[in-house]
Amino acid sequence: TQLLEQSPQFLSIQEGENLTVYCNSSSVFSSLQWYRQEPGEGPVLLVTVVTGGEVKKLKRLTFQFGDARKDSSLHITAAQTGDTGLYLCAGAQANQAGTALIFGKGTTLSVSS
Amino acid sequence: DTEVTQTPKHLVMGMTNKKSLKCEQHMGHRAMYWYKQKAKKPPELMFVYSYEKLSINESVPSRFSPECPNSSLLNLHLHALQPEDSALYLCASSQGEGPDTQYFGPGTRLTVL
Repeated sequence: TQLLEQSPQFLSIQEGENLTVYCNSSSVFSSLQWYRQEPGEGPVLLVTVVTGGEVKKLKRLTFQFGDARKDSSLHITAAQTGDTGLYLCAGAQANQAGTALIFGKGTTLSVSS
Repeated sequence: DTEVTQTPKHLVMGMTNKKSLKCEQHMGHRAMYWYKQKAKKPPELMFVYSYEKLSINESVPSRFSPECPNSSLLNLHLHALQPEDSALYLCASSQGEGPDTQYFGPGTRLTVL
């Protein structure tokens, strides 16, 4: 069974603080996606990382894909209350049509003012 | 445009009812997916259609019946559901090749009485 370990599961911080979420696996992924989800809504894609060692920045969010394509991290700088939500990482195993994603268990982030 | 639409937004049904969930995308994607998501858990894959053919069925009970009338539409027919089937049902689509990033719809909140 392929697993994607995501940590921490819960994170409660004050506005302005920095945080990092980690996803780790023993499996190699062809790509890895990060999503943010609000209650009762569908996951919204934040980024897809494909190349080992890749770093992508989206305003205050920095995403990194490990050199071996087995792990990834999401770093948020100066968190804002609008960053509150469920963050999901999901790894894709192969480049074939209809590839199933392996999801981490998610990180519930709460940012208070 | 990376939009996947789902109807209805909310659905309440009895255990003897028959209903259908609908999903549509106009991104030219050739893979479409149904997921089930319980509160504060990651999405669980149910079905995958690739080039309008069912390619993955994750041992889903027969009371859930998927249908892909064409490359833009995906339906999920529901019959004789149980209260434990209450969940957020998510549709997603992807190109079906390459990094295969999945884009999710807003979901249908299903309540079975």
